[in-house]
Amino acid sequence: DTEVTQTPKHLVMGMTNKKSLKCEQHMGHRAMYWYKQKAKKPPELMFVYSYEKLSINESVPSRFSPECPNSSLLNLHLHALQPEDSALYLCASRTTGSSDTQYFGPGTRLTVL
Amino acid sequence: AQSVTQPDIHITVSEGASLELRCNYSYGATPYLFWYVQSPGQGLQLLLKYFSGDTLVQGIKGFEAEFKRSQSSFNLRKPSVHWSDAAEYFCAVRTGGSYIPTFGRGTSLIVHP
Repeated sequence: DTEVTQTPKHLVMGMTNKKSLKCEQHMGHRAMYWYKQKAKKPPELMFVYSYEKLSINESVPSRFSPECPNSSLLNLHLHALQPEDSALYLCASRTTGSSDTQYFGPGTRLTVL
Repeated sequence: AQSVTQPDIHITVSEGASLELRCNYSYGATPYLFWYVQSPGQGLQLLLKYFSGDTLVQGIKGFEAEFKRSQSSFNLRKPSVHWSDAAEYFCAVRTGGSYIPTFGRGTSLIVHP
C-alpha cells in the first residue's frame, strides 16, 4: 500500500483566518514533504521533515507553519494568508533505502479570499 | 545541480495512437529518474522509475520509459493511448546524494476521440 491521505480536500479561507492542513501515511516512511503547486506548474518544495525533525525550509513565509507530531502525521498551519497563496498543497512521503521514492497525496485545494 | 527539460508543453494525440513524451536531464553521474502523472485536481501518481539495470522500464497503466545515457534522455512511451490518459505528465530527476527531486515543467497530454 502506497497511500498518503490529505484532509481537507478543499479549503476556502479569509485572509484573517487560521486553518490547518493534515497529511497522514501509515507506510512507515520517515521523510515527509509539503509542496505548493500552481496550475500547470510543477510542485514547488516548501518543507521537508526527516525523522520528525524539520530538515529543509525553502524560505517559506512564516504565515505557513509546519508541524510533525509523529512519524505518520504532518500538519501545515496557515495564518494570515494572501490571495496569491491559493494553490494545490501536496504532501508526499518517501521510502528509505537504495530505491527510495516519493509518494504523493491527492492534495488540498486552497482558496484564499 | 541537476535539471530536467520537458520540451513539449502540450501534446495532442488521437485515441488509440502511440505516444512519446520527451524528457532530458542534465547531471554528470547516473541519475535517478521518475515519471509522474497528474489528473486535474489530483495529486501526482508515480508511473515508473529508473535507478539502475535494464534501461527499459515498465510502469503502470501500460507505460514504459527508456533510459538513454548517451542522449541524457528518459522518454515515456505508450503504444495505444486511451482517453483516460489525458493528464499532466512530469518527469523528475534526483541525484544519489539528494532526496529532493527536480521536476520538469510538465507536458499536458490531450487525447482526441
